[in-house]
This record gives sequence, C-alpha cells and structure tokens, in this order.
Amino acid sequence: DIQLTQSPSSLSASVEDRVTITCRTSQSISTYLNWYQQKPGKAPKLLIYAASSLQSGVPSRFSGSGSGTDFTLTISSLQPEDFAIYYCQQTYTTPWTFGQGTKVEIK
Amino acid sequence: QVQLVQSGAEVKKPGASVRVSCKASGYTFSSSAIHWVRQAPGQGLEWMGWINAANGNTKYSQKFQGRVTLTRDTSASTAHMELNSLKSEDTAVYYCARVDLPGVVAILDYWGQGTLVTVSS
Repeated sequence: DIQLTQSPSSLSASVEDRVTITCRTSQSISTYLNWYQQKPGKAPKLLIYAASSLQSGVPSRFSGSGSGTDFTLTISSLQPEDFAIYYCQQTYTTPWTFGQGTKVEIK
Repeated sequence: QVQLVQSGAEVKKPGASVRVSCKASGYTFSSSAIHWVRQAPGQGLEWMGWINAANGNTKYSQKFQGRVTLTRDTSASTAHMELNSLKSEDTAVYYCARVDLPGVVAILDYWGQGTLVTVSS
C-alpha cells in the first residue's frame, strides 16, 4: 500500500496567516493527489483534486501543488472557518490511502 | 442537488453483521461509483472499497476482503455496505461517497453524512 505522511501533524495559526501543509508519498503517484477538509462531526469536503485543481465552490485562498512524491496544500490567508483537520489522499492505485491528517488550530 | 443520505446509527455485538445504506439523489445513480470510507473515533480516514453502480463491479481493500460486501439497488438508487464478523475495532463512522463516472479524475466529490456503528458486548 502507498503510505502518505503529512507534516506537521498539527499547527497553531492566527487569522490571515499563510499556512502550508505537506504530504509525502511512499512512491511516485504523478498528480493523483487530493486534499480534503474535515470539521468536527462532519464528512470530509473535497478542496483540491489532481494535486492543483480547485474544486468548484472552494475559496481561491486554497491552492495545491506538487507531483511525484511531494505535495503541498496552502491556505493563503487563514479564515476563522478554516480551522479544521486536513487530509491528503492518493487515488493512483487501490487501496486508496489517506494521510494521517493535519489539525489546524487557532493560536 | 446531489445528496447521499445514509441509514441511522447501529449498535452491534461482536461477531454480528451490520448493513449500512446510502441513498443517492439529484443525479443519475448508474453514472457513479460509490466508495466506502470509515473513521474510528479520533482517528483518520480508511478506504474500504467501491462499487460501480452501473454494473455492480466491486473492488475491496485487502484489509476487508472476505468480510465486507458492497451491493447496489439501481431501482432505489441505493448502495449498501455489509460488514461481517464485527469486532470492537470496527467501531467507527462509516461514510459513503460518490465518484462521478466517467470522470477524468476519480474524486470523492459528495459524501453521505456518516453512520456510526458501535460494536460492544
């Protein structure tokens, strides 16, 4: 199975901060990498697909980059509603696998 | 609008089976694949498998092979996940999620609200 390692596991940030989360995969997956946001008690929400494509309806402050084994999710200006857990996911091969999550907390 | 509505919470004893349903609306059910993902309390996301709603073809994670069965009822636009030989470690929220077919990329763009399955003696 392809392993996904996110860093950091958690971070504290202030509103309007720029936040970067990284996801490293155990083998090359081209750009078969998606990012999800999950808030407590809710289902995950798709933010970015194919490493850098913004899902419809998602604010433009979210962006993704990377290919191969190293990927990044960036929030350009953190907003109060962005405090959540973020997961990367690979769809290069089954079983689809997720990173362990990055919790973004209020400083 | 696209919606996936799941069945309600379940409490089961170890060794029992559970069946979770996922009713789709707002799109053509047979033009999708339904994936199942679970999340143990306080833990991350774990992919279980998927079913092609058009032809019923399935693919399971090796971890659940032999214990999980995915089915669908196209007349009811509903997918089902049955998990057998339940253990306490199967206590989790189970989600269904859609992949639109044929899509250029496989993405879980709509999710159900989740179904909590508790396994306890």
